[in-house]
Amino acid sequence: SAVISQKPSRDICQRGTSLTIQCQVDSQVTMMFWYRQQPGQSLTLIATANQGSEATYESGFVIDKFPISRPNLTFSTLTVSNMSPEDSSIYLCSAYGNEQFFGPGTRLTVL
Amino acid sequence: ELKVEQNPLFLSMQEGKNYTIYCNYSTTSDRLYWYRQDPGKSLESLFVLLSNGAVKQEGRLMASLDTKARLSTLHITAAVHDLSATYFCAGYSGTYKYIFGTGTRLKVLA
Repeated sequence: SAVISQKPSRDICQRGTSLTIQCQVDSQVTMMFWYRQQPGQSLTLIATANQGSEATYESGFVIDKFPISRPNLTFSTLTVSNMSPEDSSIYLCSAYGNEQFFGPGTRLTVL
Repeated sequence: ELKVEQNPLFLSMQEGKNYTIYCNYSTTSDRLYWYRQDPGKSLESLFVLLSNGAVKQEGRLMASLDTKARLSTLHITAAVHDLSATYFCAGYSGTYKYIFGTGTRLKVLA
């Protein structure tokens, strides 16, 4: 199984600012994903992070708001741009090896 | 488009009792996953069900899959407090994408 780390683990940010979340996997993986989990809710897929090309976004999510990078097979970043209180959520990175594994999450609070 | 629903959303049960969580999905999904999430923690993989009729057991938890009925169940036997958590099922919608159910928040009372 893959071990996934995320930084930061939590942050409190001001409205209108941006935060970049880093995701590191301990082995090369085929696919990486970013999910959002709003308080008390299920997980919603934001996008698939494609290595060396633009991310593939799900309906309701756009690149300008959630730019994603994946420079290699073990690392990805998600930026939450121009934040508002509605962006307060847990953001989870996941990686697919033979099944999907999840990082510990980044708990974001926007004031 | 694959949609996944779970019920119940909330479950409060006494220790020692049995109960079942249901996971229905809307279109073909050739595999089904169950995860556990403790408060403030990430998701822990419990079961991967890959074929019709698959049954897997780990301790007091048993998961099954009926692809014809588009139904998976997670059965809890003789619940203990340590099983208190939120349980998610997830279907596979292709290209490695998982679609998660609404989650079932389980509380086991002593």
